[in-house]
Amino acid sequence: SQTIHQWPATLVQPVGSPLSLECTVEGTSNPNLYWYRQAAGRGLQLLFYSVGIGQISSEVPQNLSASRPQDRQFILSSKKLLLSDSGFYLCAWRTGFGSPLHFGNGTRLTVT
Amino acid sequence: SQQGEEDPQALSIQEGENATMNCSYKTSINNLQWYRQNSGRGLVHLILIRSNEREKHSGRLRVTLDTSKKSSSLLITASRAADTASYFCATDAGGNNRLAFGKGNQVVVIP
Repeated sequence: SQTIHQWPATLVQPVGSPLSLECTVEGTSNPNLYWYRQAAGRGLQLLFYSVGIGQISSEVPQNLSASRPQDRQFILSSKKLLLSDSGFYLCAWRTGFGSPLHFGNGTRLTVT
Repeated sequence: SQQGEEDPQALSIQEGENATMNCSYKTSINNLQWYRQNSGRGLVHLILIRSNEREKHSGRLRVTLDTSKKSSSLLITASRAADTASYFCATDAGGNNRLAFGKGNQVVVIP
């Protein structure tokens, strides 16, 4: 069966520090991969999605970037965190357009 | 603009009652999906309804889709305390692999 791993679960980082969040999927090939951010009590904002290795579509350019170095690995990065980057980051995968998303357990990021 | 926008109302109901929440969207869609999120957790897929379907059932869940009104509703029948969660709708449109979520509806079921 397919599983998705996302880590770390919680992270506290100072303003200006770098960020790297990692997500991996097991049990499937060539998944569509997604990064969402959720502010407290708010909906989900799509940050990036990828339909294949090296293919990244950006919805929120700002100071975040994403990479997909391997088929089932999706990384969210920042060179310098802002206070506004605080939030709940969720990685998700699906087989393709029109199929359901499967979410990881999320990373709670607090930028201080 | 964001696809999938639920009525931003929190619902508080007694166990055993039905809970209904709505979702509206702005452009043509391929399908609409509903998800549940327990506090501090990832979202869990509940049900998917395609644009050529009008109603779908899964256990105690009933989803309707009205493409002429660009709206959907999720009904949870005979609610339980375990149904306490936030519920989100999301839409697939345009074949571009974006799945856009609405703001969510918080449901509290009182035992």
